[in-house]
Amino acid sequence: DAGITQSPRHKVTETGTPVTLRCHQTENHRYMYWYRQDPGHGLRLIHYSYGVKDTDKGEVSDGYSVSRSKTEDFLLTLESATSSQTSVYFCAAKQGPGELFFGEGSRLTVL
Amino acid sequence: SQQGEEDPQALSIQEGENATMNCSYKTSINNLQWYRQNSGRGLVHLILIRSNEREKHSGRLRVTLDTSKKSSSLLITASRAADTASYFCASQHKGGYQKVTFGTGTKLQVIP
Repeated sequence: DAGITQSPRHKVTETGTPVTLRCHQTENHRYMYWYRQDPGHGLRLIHYSYGVKDTDKGEVSDGYSVSRSKTEDFLLTLESATSSQTSVYFCAAKQGPGELFFGEGSRLTVL
Repeated sequence: SQQGEEDPQALSIQEGENATMNCSYKTSINNLQWYRQNSGRGLVHLILIRSNEREKHSGRLRVTLDTSKKSSSLLITASRAADTASYFCASQHKGGYQKVTFGTGTKLQVIP
């Protein structure tokens, strides 16, 4: 267990509402990631961070923004949720070029 | 898309048989990693192979890497029912800031 906590774990929201998912880590990892998982697509990278206030886009970043104001927290925001953003979202973190440590996932349903 | 692909998408074998999964990726890499996921839970790291390595072993796992073909394979020997899970390869992109992208995954079912 690498101390990765995601919140909320489950959320149901309506189209057009803003949503923020939080990832919190306790191991002082430098790098943090947000992925979404959908059937047939595996995990797709949304955004990642390589340090405080340093972020970059992944493969499917449209409609998502992120912020990292301190090492331990990486926030994923859907400014105006759409049904296509219904998914399971995973946060991950690592220190160097080695393995990723994952949270347990956040299941988001947009009605 | 930078996402890699895995083959087969699903695999069903008898306990005791070997399972082979293949991964193709699209970028230059520093290393390639394999992960396991049980029933939609968080992924767990299995093994890492660096770009200058061709083969690596860990217990019942054997990973090969062919950077000229941008492909890797994961072999699980003497499979057990507890190996039933989804398996994903992950590419650590060369350069940049530790960007990691995943393949589409292989769902393995081991029948007791």
